Amino acid sequence: AQTVTQSQPEMSVQEAETVTLSCTYDTSESDYYLFWYKQPPSRQMILVIRQEAYKQQNATENRFSVNFQKAAKSFSLKISDSQLGDAAMYFCAYRNRDDKIIFGKGTRLHILP
Amino acid sequence: KAGVTQTPRYLIKTRGQQVTLSCSPISGHRSVSWYQQTPGQGLQFLFEYFSETQRNKGNFPGRFSGRQFSNSRSEMNVSTLELGDSALYLCASSRVLTGPGELFFGEGSRLTVL
Repeated sequence: AQTVTQSQPEMSVQEAETVTLSCTYDTSESDYYLFWYKQPPSRQMILVIRQEAYKQQNATENRFSVNFQKAAKSFSLKISDSQLGDAAMYFCAYRNRDDKIIFGKGTRLHILP
Repeated sequence: KAGVTQTPRYLIKTRGQQVTLSCSPISGHRSVSWYQQTPGQGLQFLFEYFSETQRNKGNFPGRFSGRQFSNSRSEMNVSTLELGDSALYLCASSRVLTGPGELFFGEGSRLTVL
């Protein structure tokens, strides 16, 4: 069965600094999708970034980028120039073509002013 | 464009009761999925519906059930409530069922079981 592991329950970063959130997953599939979702305090969860496994190029969305290592089954999220509004719970998620989406347990990110 | 709407936002029940939660997806979205969020277990998939058919199901007991109507609105029901069912229940909608489709989440229904 597929699993998603986020080994850092909580992290803190100074405003304007860079932080990397870790995510590893386990699957025997070759075709799948990976996501990072953000859940701000008392607000709706939103998609931050997604990656198709067949694409070798790492996805980037403004200050957010991923380091996708398919062989190592690793999918980390890098946030550059951290801002106060980045404070949230971040969930890594995996989905193959036809199956349910699986989330990690989340990493709570604190931004220190 | 209206987002995903979940009702009620908060509710308190006692053990043994049942509860029904409602989710209205974004207009045009035909896929609706449900999740249970707790501090200890994170976000766990309950089930997913597409065009009124359950397409995927998570590892939850039969007390948890759901359905989707022809207008894509969805409901989930939990019968014989247990203390451990206290959680934030999130609904998400998507245009497509599979693959890289982005999930759009509602604000959730926070259930407290006493």
